[in-house]
Amino acid sequence: AQKITQTQPGMFVQEKEAVTLDCTYDTSDPSYGLFWYKQPSSGEMIFLIYQGSYDQQNATEGRYSLNFQKARKSANLVISASQLGDSAMYFCAMREANYGGATNKLIFGTGTLLAVQP
Amino acid sequence: NAGVMQNPRHLVRRRGQEARLRCSPMKGHSHVYWYRQLPEEGLKFMVYLQKENIIDESGMPKERFSAEFPKEGPSILRIQQVVRGDSAAYFCASSPDRAAETQYFGPGTRLLVL
Repeated sequence: AQKITQTQPGMFVQEKEAVTLDCTYDTSDPSYGLFWYKQPSSGEMIFLIYQGSYDQQNATEGRYSLNFQKARKSANLVISASQLGDSAMYFCAMREANYGGATNKLIFGTGTLLAVQP
Repeated sequence: NAGVMQNPRHLVRRRGQEARLRCSPMKGHSHVYWYRQLPEEGLKFMVYLQKENIIDESGMPKERFSAEFPKEGPSILRIQQVVRGDSAAYFCASSPDRAAETQYFGPGTRLLVL
C-alpha cells in the first residue's frame, strides 16, 4: 500500500539557517512522483517542488531543494536561508504512476509544522 | 491568469442541512480533484473527475456525498444531511490532463457544522 510518513510533528529553526523536513514513502510501483506543499496559517495549499522517481538529479526551486534518496525511500525537503514567512505546515505527498485508467490521486503525509524564529 | 477558485471560502451549516461546495479549475484544466482535511490531519483524497465523468471516487464516503463536473460550469461537491463529523476543510485541485505532474490547489472551503 502507498504510504507517506512525516515523523516530525514540529520543528524550530533560526532565521537565515537551513532546515530539513523529513519524508519517507512506501510504494511497490517503480514509477511515481513526490511533492512538497506548504500550508500557511491562512490555509491555502502552495505547491513547492516536484521530484519524479526516474529523475537523475535532485529537484531544486529557489531556496527549496529535495534530497531524494531512492534506495532509502526518502524525499526530504531542504529549505535554505529560512525566512519568517516560511513558518507554516509542510506536507509531503506522493502520486503513483498513471497507467491507462489508473487514478491520479495524491497521498499526503500528516505534515510538519515549521516555526522560524527571529 | 486566475488560479483554482473555490467558493464559498467559509460555510456554516446546521446538522441535517445540505452543503454545496464549488470549484472552478484553472483555465485550460479539465481534471479536478477533491480532498478533505480534517482538523489536525493531512489531506485525504475523495474524488477525481474529468468533464462529465467520475474517474475515481474511491475516497468518497458511501452515503450523503456526491460530486459532479458538468460540461459547463464549476465542479460541485455536495454533502447531504451534514453531520458534525463533516466539519473540515475541503480542497479542490486541478490539472490540465491525466499525465500532468502537478495538481494546483484552490484556497479551500472551511465547512463548519453546528
